[in-house]
Amino acid sequence: DAGVTQSPTHLIKTRGQQVTLRCSPISGHKSVSWYQQVLGQGPQFIFQYYEKEERGRGNFPDRFSARQFPNYSSELNVNALLLGDSALYLCASSSRVGLATNEKLFFGSGTQLSVL
Amino acid sequence: GNSVTQMEGPVTLSEEAFLTINCTYTATGYPSLFWYVQYPGEGLQLLLKATKADDKGSNKGFEATYRKETTSFHLEKGSVQVSDSAVYFCALIKYGGATNKLIFGTGTLLAVQP
Repeated sequence: DAGVTQSPTHLIKTRGQQVTLRCSPISGHKSVSWYQQVLGQGPQFIFQYYEKEERGRGNFPDRFSARQFPNYSSELNVNALLLGDSALYLCASSSRVGLATNEKLFFGSGTQLSVL
Repeated sequence: GNSVTQMEGPVTLSEEAFLTINCTYTATGYPSLFWYVQYPGEGLQLLLKATKADDKGSNKGFEATYRKETTSFHLEKGSVQVSDSAVYFCALIKYGGATNKLIFGTGTLLAVQP
């Protein structure tokens, strides 16, 4: 079975541009979460979507948005890019909106975004 | 609010040395605690977890015990290998909540030399 897949793996943009990152969850998983990992720091929660509805939002500006499609894949959009948006963006999937004790989050390998 | 504090790295050890990476947490209620590992160029992998006080999580020779009295979840391994070189993240979550939001520490880089 395929794991969580993200595309592209690397991306270079300039300040002010817009970017779209994509994530396909594990088959059967209905929840997708996005995390931002700045170099030298731990991942920070951005969004969670479940059954195409936003279920959680972290402390990020409105330049960050996301959506989930009927096949449960997801896109993360970032507008008006800033240098500080340079980071590894991780996607994670799970079967439920809130984890049960016998469940875990499955992470993709991430998209490395560089803003110049 | 909930938070996780990890010891700063890098931690540099020789092969077969004993490893400890400290992790303490602040949380309301009774969170579940995790250690994730990130190998170079890869995403996060769950290493071990503990869901209640005094639980011990273990995997691949790594262990961590959930200590409620000291709000700690220190990672240990008796004999590290070069292949253990990676970044280790301590994290917490409230199971059964409205979201599956994980709160991570800043990570600790482990470098094991042959």
